[in-house]
Amino acid sequence: NAGVTQTPKFQVLKTGQSMTLQCAQDMNHEYMSWYRQDPGMGLRLIHYSVGAGITDQGEVPNGYNVSRSTTEDFPLRLLSAAPSQTSVYFCASSPGQLQFFGPGTRLTVL
Amino acid sequence: RKEVEQDPGPFNVPEGATVAFNCTYSNSASQSFFWYRQDCRKEPKLLMSVYSSGNEDGRFTAQLNRASQYISLLIRDSKLSDSATYLCVGRSMDSNYQLIWGAGTKLIIKP
Repeated sequence: NAGVTQTPKFQVLKTGQSMTLQCAQDMNHEYMSWYRQDPGMGLRLIHYSVGAGITDQGEVPNGYNVSRSTTEDFPLRLLSAAPSQTSVYFCASSPGQLQFFGPGTRLTVL
Repeated sequence: RKEVEQDPGPFNVPEGATVAFNCTYSNSASQSFFWYRQDCRKEPKLLMSVYSSGNEDGRFTAQLNRASQYISLLIRDSKLSDSATYLCVGRSMDSNYQLIWGAGTKLIIKP
């Protein structure tokens, strides 16, 4: 099992550009989520999904879109990148209480 | 008050010593608790769940004090490989049982 995979590992964008962060899991977990991690702050939930076709907003959803067309994939789309979105992004999947994280994407927006 | 609060550290501890750190929580983050470990520039990984009666996993002991609203992590006979950031996590009783993350306590074990 690969677990949770994320691509790309690093990305630099210019303000206003859009891009999609990819996340995939091969553990057949229904629950998947996206977090951002900033220095001095805990992980903050952006969006989550409890199954294919179902998504919902977390604590900090503005500027991000998600979709869940399959159990395996949960991409995160930045609509128009802003410097405030410079962060490390983690995707996670969960069979219940525990969360399994991908390796993260380090995003810099100039 | 932050929902889950931790001393950011760093805690500088000699190898072989015992170290303990606490995490305080508010009422909204009090369904269940976990400790995760995060190595530098890596993803968080579950260290242990925290049970009401306290629980132990090898050199690690977790305690929950509901009256004072804190959880603790004790590491005995610390190893160089214990150097990491330890994240305290509570499960919200409000927002669809989402996880609420502390900012982490950095631990550095020195030889």
